[in-house]
Amino acid sequence: QVQLVQSGADVKKPGASVKVSCKASGYTFTGYYMHWVRQAPGQGLEWMGWINPNSGDSNYAQKFQGRVTMTRDTSISTAFMELSGLRSDDTAVYYCARLEMTTKFDPWGQGTLVIVSS
Amino acid sequence: EIVLTQSPATLSLSPGERATLSCRASQSVSSYLAWYQQKPGQAPRLLIYDASNRATGIPARFSGSGSGTDFTLTISSLEPEDFAVYYCLQRSTFWTFGQGTKVEIK
Repeated sequence: QVQLVQSGADVKKPGASVKVSCKASGYTFTGYYMHWVRQAPGQGLEWMGWINPNSGDSNYAQKFQGRVTMTRDTSISTAFMELSGLRSDDTAVYYCARLEMTTKFDPWGQGTLVIVSS
Repeated sequence: EIVLTQSPATLSLSPGERATLSCRASQSVSSYLAWYQQKPGQAPRLLIYDASNRATGIPARFSGSGSGTDFTLTISSLEPEDFAVYYCLQRSTFWTFGQGTKVEIK
């Protein structure tokens, strides 16, 4: 079955970087864009950007430009999201989601909790 | 950037009642609007995509309508498992989510 499995929770200090992985299985990894969405505790969903696993092209929400980098390794069908210059308000659950078409994000990864704390 | 405004913020209903959730876009998104359900501790789940298309495995009591700037998610008769937070999502140049509507048990 189509599945996205993310890396485990992480704790980082302010100013550090975090890299979250998202391993895809059950479909052709290079055939679908991968998006990243985050959710701060008790808050709503926030779209961060996408990567085209085939070409490596990416596009980010303006809010994260300069701080986020999305990459992929096609040999292991895995997408990565790296966020630098971490602040306490970056504490959130980070999700990857496959874009099947237009507005159809399916499936989603299970989420990765990133805590930023000194 | 297109802003999505969901209303109401909270909807208090009883099982068996009809739920009507609204999502309004700050400019036209054509039919590029989806609805997602999220329960505590879980990833969002796709319900409706492109305004009115039910995702695979989604019960017929969920329906979506609208185009342009005004969209509605209707749950015809609430089941106990439907009490959750619902988000709309639009795709234009970028993707943005609404702030969510919580459907709670009255």
